[in-house]
Amino acid sequence: GENVEQHPSTLSVQEGDSAVIKCTYSDSASNYFPWYKQELGKRPQLIIDIRSNVGEKKDQRIAVTLNKTAKHFSLHITETQPEDSAVYFCAARTSGTYKYIFGTGTRLKVLA
Amino acid sequence: SAVISQKPSRDICQRGTSLTIQCQVDSQVTMMFWYRQQPGQSLTLIATANQGSEATYESGFVIDKFPISRPNLTFSTLTVSNMSPEDSSIYLCSVGQSGDEQYFGPGTRLTVT
Repeated sequence: GENVEQHPSTLSVQEGDSAVIKCTYSDSASNYFPWYKQELGKRPQLIIDIRSNVGEKKDQRIAVTLNKTAKHFSLHITETQPEDSAVYFCAARTSGTYKYIFGTGTRLKVLA
Repeated sequence: SAVISQKPSRDICQRGTSLTIQCQVDSQVTMMFWYRQQPGQSLTLIATANQGSEATYESGFVIDKFPISRPNLTFSTLTVSNMSPEDSSIYLCSVGQSGDEQYFGPGTRLTVT
């Protein structure tokens, strides 16, 4: 079955710097890759997603890139702000199912 | 996106007892799922709640321990049965339409003593 690895587990950046979180997946049939942000004590919130027919997607300060050949995708946050501090989860969904397999999460700390 | 609520938001239960968690959506949705998030961990899918039929459980989760109901397209329940301290977790429902996105409820924080 699908397996999703996520790195790093923790990431500290200075305010204004960029942050990059990487995920790899095992099932080449996976075709949808969402990213969730979870603040302490809150529900995971969908912040951006990408489908397998697209290589890159951007929404203001966040972007996601997908390399299907290498089976990895990345979240990029530019001009980080303290409110970006949270745990970020990547996920992959295999074609023909509605099930997500989540990565292990990255705790991002943005230092003011 | 749909407004999703869960009840209770938190509970402290004695071992050996059962707790039923409710998930209510303000509009009809195609897919409903139940996840478990153990402290400091990622999200693990327990089962897909199927409207009008038995839920589809993931490996490691069984119906006797986690019975699920979904009587209609806006409501589902998850019961955690015969609880032990290892069941202490956050339990989240998520919903999706025919598209790809899933949205999570606020979660139920369960502590078993």
